Formats: sequence, C-alpha cells, structure tokens
Amino acid sequence: AQSVTQPDIHITVSEGASLELRCNYSYGATPYLFWYVQSPGQGLQLLLKYFSGDTLVQGIKGFEAEFKRSQSSFNLRKPSVHWSDAAEYFCAVGPYTGTASKLTFGTGTRLQVTL
Amino acid sequence: DSGVTQTPKHLITATGQRVTLRCSPRSGDLSVYWYQQSLDQGLQFLIHYYNGEERAKGNILERFSAQQFPDLHSELNLSSLELGDSALYFCASSVERGYGYTFGSGTRLTVV
Repeated sequence: AQSVTQPDIHITVSEGASLELRCNYSYGATPYLFWYVQSPGQGLQLLLKYFSGDTLVQGIKGFEAEFKRSQSSFNLRKPSVHWSDAAEYFCAVGPYTGTASKLTFGTGTRLQVTL
Repeated sequence: DSGVTQTPKHLITATGQRVTLRCSPRSGDLSVYWYQQSLDQGLQFLIHYYNGEERAKGNILERFSAQQFPDLHSELNLSSLELGDSALYFCASSVERGYGYTFGSGTRLTVV
C-alpha cells in the first residue's frame, strides 16, 4: 500500500530564512510525487510534481523539490521564505502506471513564518 | 479561481439529515475525486469517477454515495449524518494520471 510520511507537524522559520519540508513515501512501483499548499479556508494548490527525469524539480512561488529514490524522499525547499508562505503543505504520492489515479496525502506540515 | 467549482461553500445541518454536495470539474477534465479533510483524519480519499464510471473507492462510508453525470459534474450524497461527518469535503479533477489534481475550494459541512 502506498503511504506518505511528513514527520514535521509544525515548523516555524523567520522571514528570509531557508526552508526544507520533509516527505518520505512508500510505494511499490515508480511513483508520481506532488507537493500541494493549502492556505486557511482554501483548497489545495499544486506547487510542483515529479515523475521522471531531472530529480530536482522547480515549482511555483520559488519552491523546488528533490527526489531521492535511495531515501524514498521528496523534500520541498525554498531558499528564502516570505511571510505569505505561511500555510499548510502536503506531500502526495500516486501511481505512475495503471488506471487508478488516487493520490495518497501525508498529514501535512504547518509552516509559520515570523517577521 | 482554480476552475473546479464546489457548492455550497458552507452547510450546516442536523444529525440524521441528508445533504448533497456538488462539484463541477475544470473544463476538459474527465476525472473527479472526492476527499474528506478532518482534523483527526487528515485528507482521506473517498471515491474517484472517470467519465461517468466509478474507478476507485477509498474510505467511503455506506451512508455516502456519489455519481458523475454525463456533463461530468459530480455529486456526493451524505445521508444519516452524524456529528463525526463534520469536515471539509473537497472535490478535485484531473485530465489524466500524473498531471496532479486541481482542487475546488471545498464544502465545509457542520453537523449539529
């Protein structure tokens, strides 16, 4: 069964500092991997995705993520955090093959940004 | 605006009642997914429809049902509501596997 672990429930960083949110996945085949962001009262917005090719993927809002197959990780990074980045971040994994496209989400990491 | 429309945005109802949540997918997307988000359970996959056909079921209670209509909009029906059904219900759509979902802004259901 596929699963996603986001070990950090809550992270606080200062504005301008760098950020890394951790994500570990368990999947029996080649996965699709995603990061989503959810602002309070809003739906989830896709930040970036990975399924093949360059293991460092760029997304919107200055975010990037690195796929490390050997570590089953897909960590999200941003060099300099802005106050508007405060939100909840979800990592998700889905199948690369087959017809079912269910995404399994992690429990999320809530990011707080201090000024 | 993500292109996925969910109505209503908020719903307050009593225990034992039945409600219908509606979702219009983004133009061109054939797949619709329903998720429930609660504080204690996180994002839980309920059901997936593709072009009118049920493709996958997740942790969906027997009291819950869904369908996708020929115009591709979908409805999630929740019956015999319990306090524990209070949650955010999200609909998402996608054009095909691997492109990620586009989420609607959700329906907040409160059962009192």
